[in-house]
Amino acid sequence: QVQLVESGGGLVKPGGSLRLSCAASGFTFSDYYMFWLRQAPGKGLEWVSFTSTSGSSVNYADSVKGRFTISRDNAKNSLYLQMSSLRAEDTAVYYCARSGLAAKYYFDFWGQGTLVTVSS
Amino acid sequence: EIVLTQSPGTLSLSPGERATLSCRASQSVNSNYLAWYQQKPGQAPRLLIYGASSRATGIPDRFSGSGSGTDFTLTISRLEPEDFAVYHCQQYGSSSWTFGQGTKVEIK
Repeated sequence: QVQLVESGGGLVKPGGSLRLSCAASGFTFSDYYMFWLRQAPGKGLEWVSFTSTSGSSVNYADSVKGRFTISRDNAKNSLYLQMSSLRAEDTAVYYCARSGLAAKYYFDFWGQGTLVTVSS
Repeated sequence: EIVLTQSPGTLSLSPGERATLSCRASQSVNSNYLAWYQQKPGQAPRLLIYGASSRATGIPDRFSGSGSGTDFTLTISRLEPEDFAVYHCQQYGSSSWTFGQGTKVEIK
């Protein structure tokens, strides 16, 4: 069955860095666009970043542009999010999600999320 | 950026009742690019509806989506106990994905 398992979350000080990983299984990872999204405590959902199937095309929300970098390794069925210059407002549960097949307009499966807390 | 506004914020209903959730966009949305998700406490969101009206795999037919342009609706025909949750609408446009703030469906 389809699985997306995030890891790498934790407590980090403002200005610090963190790298999130997402291990995919149960589907042909290289066929799907992939995303990172987040949800601050008690708040709504926010799209963070997108990568095309090959990783050659990426996109970011304005709130993280220049600070976060998305990447993928199709040989390892893995998605990554390198986060730097972290701020308190980056505190959230971070989800990886896949697109619909050949349709990047929605997120048809989500991982369970990993919590990132930015605090001194 | 297209802003999605969901109403009401909270819907208090009893099992068996009909739920009607609204999602209004600040400008016209391509219907193919409008989706709905269900989220229960402590869980990840689950895709319910994509393309404004197509049910995702495994979603019961009591869930239906409709609408076009700036006004979209998610209807749950008869609420089951497991349907009490938060529902989010989402759109894609201009290389950006945005969500509404969510509607909580709670037991009355």
